[in-house]
Amino acid sequence: DIQMTQSPSALTASVGDRVTITCRASQNIYASLNWYQQRPGKAPELLIYAASSLQSGVPSRFSGSGSGTDFTLTISSLQPEDSATYFCQKSNSIFRFGQGTKVEIK
Amino acid sequence: QVQLQESGPGLVKPSGTLSLTCAVAGVSISDTYWWSWVRQTPEKGLEWIGEIFHNGNTNYNPSLRSRVTMSVDKSKNQVSLNLTSVTAADTAIYFCARDCGRGPDDFWGQGILVTVSS
Repeated sequence: DIQMTQSPSALTASVGDRVTITCRASQNIYASLNWYQQRPGKAPELLIYAASSLQSGVPSRFSGSGSGTDFTLTISSLQPEDSATYFCQKSNSIFRFGQGTKVEIK
Repeated sequence: QVQLQESGPGLVKPSGTLSLTCAVAGVSISDTYWWSWVRQTPEKGLEWIGEIFHNGNTNYNPSLRSRVTMSVDKSKNQVSLNLTSVTAADTAIYFCARDCGRGPDDFWGQGILVTVSS
């Protein structure tokens, strides 16, 4: 089974900061990686698919990169509404998720 | 405007069967989408349960395959989930989703909390 490991598990940053979240797959998953945002009490929403494609309607401050086993979600300038938990998900075969990264605003 | 609405009992007894329905509005079940179920707990996070296509083809998470059945009701435009022999470990928020993990048409319902308890 391919495991997905996110880091950090939580972070606190200020408005305007650049924030980076990493996701590592235990085996090569090529570009089969999605990123989701989940606000409290809400369903996850797709931010990035196929490692680097921005979902329609998602602000351009969000970006994804990586391939193979190492992936990154970057928020270029953190906004108050970005306070949420972010999950990576491998998108081939079993759609396994990472354990999540909780982003809080300082 | 696509809407997915999960429904079903909020409380299920141990060893019983968890049965949920996802009513789909704004799109036909028979369109070229996969319909997934995903659950979430504080302990295990998000867990993909499986998916079904309108023709009945399914893919299930191997860890749950022996207990899971999904079905499609085209006349009601809804999908269903049955999970048998439940235990407290199956207590979770259950989400219905369209094309979960499959690209830009990925969309989720709001979820339903199901508690397994006597």
